Parts: sequence; structure tokens; C-alpha cells
Amino acid sequence: NAGVTQTPKFQVLKTGQSMTLQCAQDMNHEYMSWYRQDPGMGLRLIHYSVGAGITDQGEVPNGYNVSRSTTEDFPLRLLSAAPSQTSVYFCASSYSAGYYGYTFGSGTRLTVV
Amino acid sequence: EDQVTQSPEALRLQEGESSSLNCSYTVSGLRGLFWYRQDPGKGPEFLFTLYSAGEEKEKERLKATLTKKESFLHITAPKPEDSATYLCAVSPLIQGAQKLVFGQGTRLTINP
Repeated sequence: NAGVTQTPKFQVLKTGQSMTLQCAQDMNHEYMSWYRQDPGMGLRLIHYSVGAGITDQGEVPNGYNVSRSTTEDFPLRLLSAAPSQTSVYFCASSYSAGYYGYTFGSGTRLTVV
Repeated sequence: EDQVTQSPEALRLQEGESSSLNCSYTVSGLRGLFWYRQDPGKGPEFLFTLYSAGEEKEKERLKATLTKKESFLHITAPKPEDSATYLCAVSPLIQGAQKLVFGQGTRLTINP
């Protein structure tokens, strides 16, 4: 039982490049979310999904896209990377969001130069 | 606006020295309040969910309590392995259940 798996663990991008952060869970959770964590800011919600084919925006969605074609996978796409997107990104999943805790992945540390 | 404030930002204790971490929140109705532990370089690890004022939950040396405006994480006789950042989050009732609002965390260090 792997839980929530994120790849890559580290990434350096040049400004303007695009990339996809991968997230997969094997717990059959319907709810999945992407957060970014910045020093002094706490975790902030980027996008979330309540099931396959259903996604919505969180607090800081600009510059990011998501899709959810299967229950297991929830990739996060950076369209045109900017230095302001330098952060640690966490994917999380839950059986019942709001009532049970989320299981978080180990994170992707992204640096945009 | 839904808001979570944790205090102190950092706390240094000696092994065995009990203390409490505070999480004050302002929400338009509370669906649930969560405590997480985060070790350096890792994702947050779920500890507790509290749903209503007066509720308490315990796990080893940790006990979480909830009032209408704040939650406390009590740490009894801590050990060095309890050193971590502790995060508090709320799920506001009016917003979608997925929209957790996190505090900035308390960085706890336990010296042997």
C-alpha cells in the first residue's frame, strides 16, 4: 500500500517552461487536492477534485491546470513557469474531505530560475 | 474571511517538559478541525480530527482539544522524536469540504 506517490521529488525549470507534476494514490479515494507550501504562508489550495472528471479551483489556481481522468491520478500542469511558482507542492487524497484527514504525498520541490 | 492562526511560531522544550500549542480560528461554521505533524522534507501526517466544542482526542503523548474559537494540542512528557512542525487546519462549513484552511504551523523542538 503506497499511499500517495508524487514524482519528481525535485525539479528545476527555466522561466517559461512547462511541466507536469505527477500524483497517484492507491487507496481508492475520491477526493484529491494540490497544495503549495511557502515559508511563512502555510499550505494553500491550488486545485481539487471530488472524483474522476470533476475538478475545481482552490485559493491560488492561476498558472496551473489539472485534470482527473481516473480515480488514481491527479496531475498538476504548470503552463508557463514563473519564479513566483518556486515552492514545495503537495498532493493529498481523502476518503471523505472535511470529515476525515487527508493523506499527503512526500512533495515536489520546484525551483523556477 | 476564514482564518487560522497558530502560536507560538516556534517552541523549544526540554525532554519531559509538557506544554501546549494553540490554534485560533475564525470560520463561518466549522465542519472539522485537523491537526497534522510535518517532519522536515516530508508531507504532513494526519493526527486528529475534531468536530465539535468539548471534543478531545488522544494519541500517545498528544491530546487535542476543541472550543468554539480555538484548539489546543497538549504534549505531555515529550521526547526528542516529537520534534516536528505541527499544523492546524479547518474545514469551513459553508465552503466545499475540500477547502481546508491551514495555519502557518508551530515548529516544536525537544532537546534531550
